[in-house]
Amino acid sequence: DTEVTQTPKHLVMGMTNKKSLKCEQHMGHRAMYWYKQKAKKPPELMFVYSYEKLSINESVPSRFSPECPNSSLLNLHLHALQPEDSALYLCASSQDSRQGVPYEQYFGPGTRLTVT
Amino acid sequence: GENVEQHPSTLSVQEGDSAVIKCTYSDSASNYFPWYKQELGKGPQLIIDIRSNVGEKKDQRIAVTLNKTAKHFSLHITETQPEDSAVYFCAASRRGGSEKLVFGKGTKLTVNP
Repeated sequence: DTEVTQTPKHLVMGMTNKKSLKCEQHMGHRAMYWYKQKAKKPPELMFVYSYEKLSINESVPSRFSPECPNSSLLNLHLHALQPEDSALYLCASSQDSRQGVPYEQYFGPGTRLTVT
Repeated sequence: GENVEQHPSTLSVQEGDSAVIKCTYSDSASNYFPWYKQELGKGPQLIIDIRSNVGEKKDQRIAVTLNKTAKHFSLHITETQPEDSAVYFCAASRRGGSEKLVFGKGTKLTVNP
């Protein structure tokens, strides 16, 4: 089973709203990721969590706040977003590569976010 | 940092023909090269990957080749079917796993019945 689930599938929010995106995996993976994908573009990495600790932040604005409450869950808290933040937000997971062995990243279906 | 170039940006083939997508990378320390297929409205699906200690890998109709000296890798799809129509992304990573995946810009493949 290589399933990563994401909720909600679609989200429309105003610029003053606070909302959260959720991601879950039960593959025993210890690395989890948030990507942002604009239309007709490749995914762009936002954050990486390794063993529930933030290991990479790709200079993402503070209006995006990630959280990893446990090894199976990953959240992305959204606050005061801008219309240009509208995109598909993808979660992914993989085994952690602390020994330098590359592991596959598996993506969820994404949350389509529209900021009005 | 790593830069991945992908060509062509669009590719149209007849059903049953072969399709080839090529990528080049810049960081000689990259050692993991996955390929993803993304259908409309879905997340990227890993279809095949190759590591730097291997030159070629095949899985049924899909194969990937890697030339470390030239720093390029290619996806080959044989006997294409309409359901192969999608956007394909190549990517490169230094270690894979919790290291950063850098993606190419994607190739939109259309298989005409």
